[in-house]
Amino acid sequence: QQQVKQSPQSLIVQKGGISIINCAYENTAFDYFPWYQQFPGKGPALLIAIRPDVSEKKEGRFTISFNKSAKQFSLHIMDSQPGDSATYFCAASLWAGKSTFGDGTTLTVKP
Amino acid sequence: DAGVTQSPTHLIKTRGQQVTLRCSPKSGHDTVSWYQQALGQGPQFIFQYYEEEERQRGNFPDRFSGHQFPNYSSELNVNALLLGDSALYLCASSLTQGDEAFFGQGTRLTVV
Repeated sequence: QQQVKQSPQSLIVQKGGISIINCAYENTAFDYFPWYQQFPGKGPALLIAIRPDVSEKKEGRFTISFNKSAKQFSLHIMDSQPGDSATYFCAASLWAGKSTFGDGTTLTVKP
Repeated sequence: DAGVTQSPTHLIKTRGQQVTLRCSPKSGHDTVSWYQQALGQGPQFIFQYYEEEERQRGNFPDRFSGHQFPNYSSELNVNALLLGDSALYLCASSLTQGDEAFFGQGTRLTVV
């Protein structure tokens, strides 16, 4: 049973555009929702994270929007750059516990 | 400050063999989690170690076992390797009182 569903599977965006990746979760006990960026041959790197008591969090060009009632959260990348081309994973976890990951979104930013 | 380091980076094993992967956590971190990432998929939680004991375990068979040492470093052991065990094995470290996890670069295991 997949507890975190991520979409789309792949995304192509023009340089300067907005990239949007969506995730939905099932377990209402999850209390920490991170996004990771992974380049080929590398481990995932934490990008930004949010807790369910906050509806939005922004760090630079990256914003998480969180909808607790809908059990959905999304990553917005503003002014997307070719260097942002990578695979992005959403995840959900219980406090200090294991993370459950989505299947990833491959983002390609065209120059 | 060194981040999470894993060794080896690549490994080729034959079906039926046993393998040991190693992880040194980020300085100051006391909790180590292991994940398996198959090609094109998200990481899947194997288990988590804290105070040298397995604290949580994912849906993996007993062929997968681990250990944590007093210095918080950790090992992942896989016995009786199957072709399906071929994957990137990731180690993540964190503080037991915190959520933020830092991943190593992973060990690419190929079973032939």
